[in-house]
Amino acid sequence: EADIYQTPRYLVIGTGKKITLECSQTMGHDKMYWYQQDPGMELHLIHYSYGVNSTEKGDLSSESTVSRIRTEHFPLTLESARPSHTSQYLCASSEQDVGELFFGEGSRLTVL
Amino acid sequence: QKEVEQDPGPLSVPEGAIVSLNCTYSNSAFQYFMWYRQYSRKGPELLMYTYSSGNKEDGRFTAQVDKSSKYISLFIRDSQPSDSATYLCAMSAESNYQLIWGAGTKLIIKP
Repeated sequence: EADIYQTPRYLVIGTGKKITLECSQTMGHDKMYWYQQDPGMELHLIHYSYGVNSTEKGDLSSESTVSRIRTEHFPLTLESARPSHTSQYLCASSEQDVGELFFGEGSRLTVL
Repeated sequence: QKEVEQDPGPLSVPEGAIVSLNCTYSNSAFQYFMWYRQYSRKGPELLMYTYSSGNKEDGRFTAQVDKSSKYISLFIRDSQPSDSATYLCAMSAESNYQLIWGAGTKLIIKP
């Protein structure tokens, strides 16, 4: 079982609110990722990090930001949530460049 | 056109049947091929991982890669109700390790 945790699992908020989705892993992996998943659609990479103080944007344009101050922690922040941000956000980590991704259970965000 | 195409299903089969799930792709540079299983309200988990062409077997699961046809398959033998999930294919090239995902096929195994 993967040791990667996401909180909150479900969140319903109003437009304009600031939110932070938390992601922590206890496997010591340097590589961490945030994906967005909508029903019936493929996963899209929105942010990734190859180590502490390293963050990059993925292929899907996102208004969110991330930080990587500690190896085990990779939070995602939306400064001002909008209904278009409604989605499931999946955090993952890996040990190698192309290897197994370990996913958290996801954070399902609904913006009203 | 998407780089990776996957029939969304749902695919509904009786328990014990052999299941075939497929993905096609357009980028001939893809070398790494993966199948992930995602249960409802959970994150995906890796099921099978293959490099380049050929077959790989793990218990009831067999992954096949046909690079000449740009086609990968996952076979499930003696399917069980616990196999009911969405199956996602993912692949990447050696030059850029970013994974490209299929949209997933929803599989339902009827008892």
